[in-house]
Amino acid sequence: DGGITQSPKYLFRKEGQNVTLSCEQNLNHDAMYWYRQDPGQGLRLIYYSQIVNDFQKGDIAEGYSVSREKKESFPLTVTSAQKNPTAFYLCASSTGTGGETQYFGPGTRLLVL
Amino acid sequence: DQQVKQNSPSLSVQEGRISILNCDYTNSMFDYFLWYKKYPAEGPTFLISISSIKDKNEDGRFTVFLNKSAKHLSLHIVPSQPGDSAVYFCAAKYFGNEKLTFGTGTRLTIIP
Repeated sequence: DGGITQSPKYLFRKEGQNVTLSCEQNLNHDAMYWYRQDPGQGLRLIYYSQIVNDFQKGDIAEGYSVSREKKESFPLTVTSAQKNPTAFYLCASSTGTGGETQYFGPGTRLLVL
Repeated sequence: DQQVKQNSPSLSVQEGRISILNCDYTNSMFDYFLWYKKYPAEGPTFLISISSIKDKNEDGRFTVFLNKSAKHLSLHIVPSQPGDSAVYFCAAKYFGNEKLTFGTGTRLTIIP
């Protein structure tokens, strides 16, 4: 089955610690995205990548970093510089070549200890 | 600046009746609009979309209407079913920009 997987489902971060969220897709999509959802708010774009080895900042990139070394994978690192990391993180992908619809993974909930 | 707005945080509808969810936008460059459905602790699921060259798109029980002059779109679900209870997000983008801008969502509750 084609789809997007995110792991882990729940992640705990200690103060001052960097953590990495995994996102893998087997849809052969070129574009991948990371969003953050907070309670009562819509999804806000953190980073996106339209092609391997290239990515752009979204609306709230501060305190986050990404890499895109493989087409299938787009990991997100939440650094210690992100002062309010507790949120639900969603990864998405699209064909990227005029493919307007983004398809989402199941999400990772990050909690701070 | 909230470019995509869903002004109703919640909506309750009787099972079998029509559910109408509304969305307004301010950026006239937007030319493609999508609706997503989301259950708690899950990723959004794509429902239906519409291009700005159309004013209506149907898919089964779901119909999206677009009024470009009013910068308004709506999602109609008929008949409403208990499984439709979820949070619905509208999203918008424009040609050449892969970024989606989301509204804040409307929680739909279907009353049996």
